Amino acid sequence: GAVVSQHPSRVICKSGTSVKIECRSLDFQATTMFWYRQFPKKSLMLMATSNEGSKATYEQGVEKDKFLINHASLTLSTLTVTSAHPEDSSFYICSARDGTLSGNTIYFGEGSWLTVV
Amino acid sequence: GENVEQHPSTLSVQEGDSAVIKCTYSDSASNYFPWYKQELGKRPQLIIDIRSNVGEKKDQRIAVTLNKTAKHFSLHITETQPEDSAVYFCAASTAGNQFYFGTGTSLTVIP
Repeated sequence: GAVVSQHPSRVICKSGTSVKIECRSLDFQATTMFWYRQFPKKSLMLMATSNEGSKATYEQGVEKDKFLINHASLTLSTLTVTSAHPEDSSFYICSARDGTLSGNTIYFGEGSWLTVV
Repeated sequence: GENVEQHPSTLSVQEGDSAVIKCTYSDSASNYFPWYKQELGKRPQLIIDIRSNVGEKKDQRIAVTLNKTAKHFSLHITETQPEDSAVYFCAASTAGNQFYFGTGTSLTVIP
């Protein structure tokens, strides 16, 4: 099946710094990518939807200036957590939709554990 | 946006028994309803899905039912096994292809 790769899988950063997480579709063109945040034992919270070549659409309550999303190509989307704080520590997961297929099947990345110290 | 509710939040069953997880959604435009299984710290894995033009779908021990009128859908796992233990999420996809997830059900199958 389709593969979505997310990197890094784990990252620790200092408070006040920025960290970038990459999401790549390895064998298909992802016209749409989604970014989620997940707290331990909690559900996946949709943060934003990004379409290749256009600005991301953020969900209510998500700060677009803090969580910068770029979807510059059909195989890569990035999430940059700017001026990170300990409360940003979480599990971040991306997913991608294969634009060549009809229907709504999405594929998830492996997730990235972010710890802000 | 879409609001997806999921029940129960935790479920324990004896090995071999059946497990049922229920979800409701609010947006009548939603037309795709997948179910995911997630182990701690790993990516969700799609286990079964159903589209709005179908009322029921089955894949071996797993089945999903959809009631569009009532806006609810359910996951049924029969003959449960210890390896079925995980967190299960339902989701509803809107016409804009955004996916909204339920709150999750932690399933424990007791050997």
